[in-house]
Amino acid sequence: ETGVTQTPRHLVMGMTNKKSLKCEQHLGHNAMYWYKQSAKKPLELMFVYNFKEQTENNSVPSRFSPECPNSSHLFLHLHTLQPEDSALYLCASGDSFGGNTIYFGEGSWLTVV
Amino acid sequence: GIQVEQSPPDLILQEGANSTLRCNFSDSVNNLQWFHQNPWGQLINLFYIPSGTKQNGRLSATTVATERYSLLYISSSQTPDSGVYFCAVWEGGADGLTFGKGTHLIIQP
Repeated sequence: ETGVTQTPRHLVMGMTNKKSLKCEQHLGHNAMYWYKQSAKKPLELMFVYNFKEQTENNSVPSRFSPECPNSSHLFLHLHTLQPEDSALYLCASGDSFGGNTIYFGEGSWLTVV
Repeated sequence: GIQVEQSPPDLILQEGANSTLRCNFSDSVNNLQWFHQNPWGQLINLFYIPSGTKQNGRLSATTVATERYSLLYISSSQTPDSGVYFCAVWEGGADGLTFGKGTHLIIQP
């Protein structure tokens, strides 16, 4: 238990579906992150939110849409995904600007069919 | 951006053996962490170690920031130590951690 909770843990969706991944942190952090982990690739940073404001978008396709309604919650909205988007999506939280330990959730395994 | 290289990429050991994993990075960093990823995908924090040496049980880590590398030591390996070990660094500013490709460790009984 790291204090960062992700749901759902597993998701299978068709290419025309719309779904969302949810992340919640109970650590009082003010920064939250989405990472993508594909097979045989390093973890890739997708989005960064500091104090609910998006401060980084690493050239992520628009079919991925993040939302951060408050410092404790982070969503990743998914629509019209491709099979190559199948991956493990990891949420993390930490103090802003990386001055301390960053904690990860258990991840959401996504399969696009 | 900053480059993070980990070695070796794969390592197979017998139970009880010791190992050293290395992480080299290409620029100054404000944050360096070691993680262990279990077979279910969970990334477990091992160390937050931008410089110096820390120990936690059978694991210890050393970061020499001036020479831009960090080492993770695992002593008396056990089968639950198997998994992928990642080094991740933070240059500063609003970006997140940049990860290396990891070392895949297999401990055989």
